Amino acid sequence: SAVISQKPSRDICQRGTSLTIQCQVDSQVTMMFWYRQQPGQSLTLIATANQGSEATYESGFVIDKFPISRPNLTFSTLTVSNMSPEDSSIYLCSVDSRGSNTEAFFGQGTRLTVV
Amino acid sequence: EDQVTQSPEALRLQEGESSSLNCSYTVSGLRGLFWYRQDPGKGPEFLFTLYSAGEEKEKERLKATLTKKESFLHITAPKPEDSATYLCAVRAYDYKLSFGAGTTVTVRA
Repeated sequence: SAVISQKPSRDICQRGTSLTIQCQVDSQVTMMFWYRQQPGQSLTLIATANQGSEATYESGFVIDKFPISRPNLTFSTLTVSNMSPEDSSIYLCSVDSRGSNTEAFFGQGTRLTVV
Repeated sequence: EDQVTQSPEALRLQEGESSSLNCSYTVSGLRGLFWYRQDPGKGPEFLFTLYSAGEEKEKERLKATLTKKESFLHITAPKPEDSATYLCAVRAYDYKLSFGAGTTVTVRA
């Protein structure tokens, strides 16, 4: 199974600021995914990070709010921009284990609190 | 639209009291159903993959089964360390994962 490291593990940020979350995988993967888990809720896919091209965003998520970088096959970043208290969530990085119809593995998450 | 519904939302068990969690799904072209365990403050931990109706997987006190419309996660003789939120997810024809809201299991000693 892939080992996924996320940084930071948690942060408390002021509204109006931005936070960049890093995700490092111990092996090369084609696609990386970013999820949001709001308090008491399940996981919602934000976007798919594609190496060499722009990220693909799900309905309700836009690039200006959640810019994503994918400079190589083992690393990605998600930025949460111009934060408001409604952005307080756990943000999770994920990769598929061996192919697009297999299980996904997750990082330990970044717990973001916006005050 | 793909839908995943888990029940119950919460389950309180006495140590040793076996029970089952339900995951019902509506998906276009099921490409896999997955169970995860999530502890507070951590990312989901993969447990099982099921691909076709009738399939069963077991790991320690957990057993997952799959029918054409739902999956069950059976917990046999649970221990306090089995306390966690259990998430069900399905992968549809477009390969995207859809998650249920989870069942939070609390096992009392």
